[in-house]
This record gives sequence, structure tokens and C-alpha cells, in this order.
Amino acid sequence: QVQLQESGPGLVKPSQTLSLTCTVSGDSVSSGSYSWSWVRQPAGQGLEWIGRIYTSGRTNYNPSFESRVAMSLDTSRNQFSLNLNSVAAADTAVYYCVREAFVSGWHGDSWGQGTLVTVSS
Amino acid sequence: DIRLTQSPTFLSASVGDRVTITCRAGQDIGNYLAWYQQKPGKAPNLLIYGASTLQGGVPSRFSGSGSGTEFTLTISSLQPEDFAIYYCQRLESYPITFGQGTRLEIK
Repeated sequence: QVQLQESGPGLVKPSQTLSLTCTVSGDSVSSGSYSWSWVRQPAGQGLEWIGRIYTSGRTNYNPSFESRVAMSLDTSRNQFSLNLNSVAAADTAVYYCVREAFVSGWHGDSWGQGTLVTVSS
Repeated sequence: DIRLTQSPTFLSASVGDRVTITCRAGQDIGNYLAWYQQKPGKAPNLLIYGASTLQGGVPSRFSGSGSGTEFTLTISSLQPEDFAIYYCQRLESYPITFGQGTRLEIK
């Protein structure tokens, strides 16, 4: 059974870069059957899709983040990563990494437990 | 962006009740819709994809229907563990968006 685990700093200063890594076990990030994405959720609010990376390395980003987001794959470590630069307090949220499968669109069939990132000086 | 609107936002029901949550899209999204359940402090859990296909391991009391612009999630007989927040998600174009959520609470 696949497991995803987010890791990274829980506190980031404003204007700096938020960097998170998702370590995947029980599956390969190189598997062509899936894509890998990030979703965030501010406290008490709804879900916001940030973007996805395919096994080819191609990415799709939410236009709301496109100017400051980058995702990458590390197949040797079976991980994928999120970098979000120029963060502000509004980027404070729980960040989830997600495995997506394709049937009538890429839906999130497995989620990490989430990691809280707080943006504060 | 194509907007997804869930109704109701809040729903109070009793164990054993049949409940329906609606998700409306601002334009035709075919069957490119998923439903998730989220419990406090936990990650969302996939219930339904392709508007009506039950994810493996999800109890059969959950069902999804609809296509185009109107979709429903139905729980046929509420169990105590079903009290949670439910989200729909559209998948047919970018940006991927979620509905605002429906909080299902015990009456």
C-alpha cells in the first residue's frame, strides 16, 4: 500500500522560499500510472490545488501560484518536491502531497498526512 | 475559473438518515468530478471518482451521480463515522478546483 510523507520546515519567514519534500513508499514516482501533486488548506478553510508533476517531469500549476512555484521529481530517492517562493502570511496552511490516478481526470487516491507550514517572522 | 458550488454548506442529520449533497459546476465538466471526505485533523479521503465510481474500500452506502453541471453525493444510511466535511473536486481543466465543502454534523 502506498504511503506519502511530507517533510520540511514548519516555519518560514516572509519573502523566503517554502520547500517541502514528499517521500513515497510502496510505489515509484517513476510509475507512469500516476501523477504527483500538492494541495494546501489554510486553517478552517477549504482545499486549494497547487499543481502536479508527471513522471516525465512535465508540470501543471495553478495560475494563482504559477509565477512563484516549482515542482520536481527525484527518482533516485523516490521523492517529489514543492518550492514556493516569496511567501507571505497567506501561505500559512497545511500542505498535502497527493498521488493522483487517472480515470475521468487525475483524482487524488492517496494523500500524505499533511504538514503545517507557518509563515511568520 | 470554473466555479464549483456545494449545497448545503452545513447539514445536520441523524444516524440512519439518507443524505444528499449537491455540487454544481459553472459549466459542463462531463463526469470529471471526484468526492472526498475529510475528518478533523486528517487528510481528505477519496470516496468517488468519475462522478459515480466508488473508490475501493469505500462503503457501498456512499454513491455518486450526475454529469455535466450537477452532481450529487448520497449516503444511504448515515453511520457515526460519516460525520465529516465533504468536498467535490472538478478535474477536467486547469486550474483544478474544489467546492467550498459541506459540513455534516450529528443532529
